[in-house]
Amino acid sequence: AQSVSQHNHHVILSEAASLELGCNYSYGGTVNLFWYVQYPGQHLQLLLKYFSGDPLVKGIKGFEAEFIKSKFSFNLRKPSVQWSDTAEYFCAVKPTNDYKLSFGAGTTVTVRA
Amino acid sequence: GAGVSQTPSNKVTEKGKYVELRCDPISGHTALYWYRQSLGQGPEFLIYFQGTGAADDSGLPNDRFFAVRPEGSVSTLKIQRTERGDSAVYLCASSSSGTSGLSSGANVLTFGAGSRLTVL
Repeated sequence: AQSVSQHNHHVILSEAASLELGCNYSYGGTVNLFWYVQYPGQHLQLLLKYFSGDPLVKGIKGFEAEFIKSKFSFNLRKPSVQWSDTAEYFCAVKPTNDYKLSFGAGTTVTVRA
Repeated sequence: GAGVSQTPSNKVTEKGKYVELRCDPISGHTALYWYRQSLGQGPEFLIYFQGTGAADDSGLPNDRFFAVRPEGSVSTLKIQRTERGDSAVYLCASSSSGTSGLSSGANVLTFGAGSRLTVL
């Protein structure tokens, strides 16, 4: 079974700072990769996804993520955060030959104005 | 509907009681999932339906938990003899298909807002 590890439990940063959240997974086969975001009081929303092709994927709100197959990683980045990026971020992995989506424990991001 | 709808949004019950949580997936989505999210944790898989059948219920913690999807659309998660440890947010998600290799939209799960269960 696959597992997902998110490196940071809580990140605090100021507006305009750059953000990078680490995500590693353990699974030997081909995977689909996702980042979901949960804003305060809202439900989980898809931020971006990787299926195949260009390993650098762009999502909504200026977020991007890079898939590095050799490192089993799918790190999330944003060059300049805003206060509205305060949320909980979840990395998720789904083998392409399976239906089960597995989540990391999540990283809480707090952006100070 | 436009999104995944879950009811109730909040449920407070007493230890030992029976509860039902309902999920109405996106119209046309054949795959339906239940997850449980405890405080400070990521969502944990409970059960997966493809159509009317539970294709995988390996995530259900014990036999007090049961889920049905009799007509292949709405699903109900049922918890018998609730315990304080059952307190969590129960999330439902749907997708147009469960397994589709590398195709895009079919592999994306859309989540509902969740049902927050508190067992006193």
